[in-house]
Amino acid sequence: EPEVTQTPSHQVTQMGQEVILRCVPISNHLYFYWYRQILGQKVEFLVSFYNNEISEKSEIFDDQFSVERPDGSNFTLKIRSTKLEDSAMYFCASSSNQGETQYFGPGTRLLVL
Amino acid sequence: AQSVTQLDSQVPVFEEAPVELRCNYSSSVSVYLFWYVQYPNQGLQLLLKYLSGSTLVKGINGFEAEFNKSQTSFHLRKPSVHISDTAEYFCAVSAPGGGNTPLVFGKGTRLSVIA
Repeated sequence: EPEVTQTPSHQVTQMGQEVILRCVPISNHLYFYWYRQILGQKVEFLVSFYNNEISEKSEIFDDQFSVERPDGSNFTLKIRSTKLEDSAMYFCASSSNQGETQYFGPGTRLLVL
Repeated sequence: AQSVTQLDSQVPVFEEAPVELRCNYSSSVSVYLFWYVQYPNQGLQLLLKYLSGSTLVKGINGFEAEFNKSQTSFHLRKPSVHISDTAEYFCAVSAPGGGNTPLVFGKGTRLSVIA
């Protein structure tokens, strides 16, 4: 069964450093998303992406964040200058052209020191 | 805008007992409803979903949920739980209309199954 994959599974970085989180969505899916889950809190929407552009973004998704689909398979989330409060589990998700069901990857646990 | 309330943050239950995890939502438009499960140190796995049609939906691992529009609820049930059901369960809603619609999650309910 096709699934969403994410790399790395864990990343530790210093405050102020740039990080890139990578995702490979399900191959025939057209809609892509990033969510995050701060430890002990609810899963929060960051951004959705369709047709090579951002469709919607939350208040969390400020200028420090960017997304890109650099080729036909990868979908990346870049945090330009990480802050302590960016420490969280980051989930990538994708959905088909029907769009109603999002399938999640296993997540990348980011720790900013 | 939508919101989701999961009334119970933790639910302990003995093995082979029934369980109900409660979810209520608020929305000014019709919604799609989902339950996701997160096993320890893993990602989110779709348990079941309600898009339209029959209000009783069945999912994986013996779980089912019933959409009640008048009570704006989508409670998750299982008649007999196993130790392996120990996990965090998230209720989520989205607005219909195809892709790009963000999921709005509840805070989650931690189900602990006791032997």
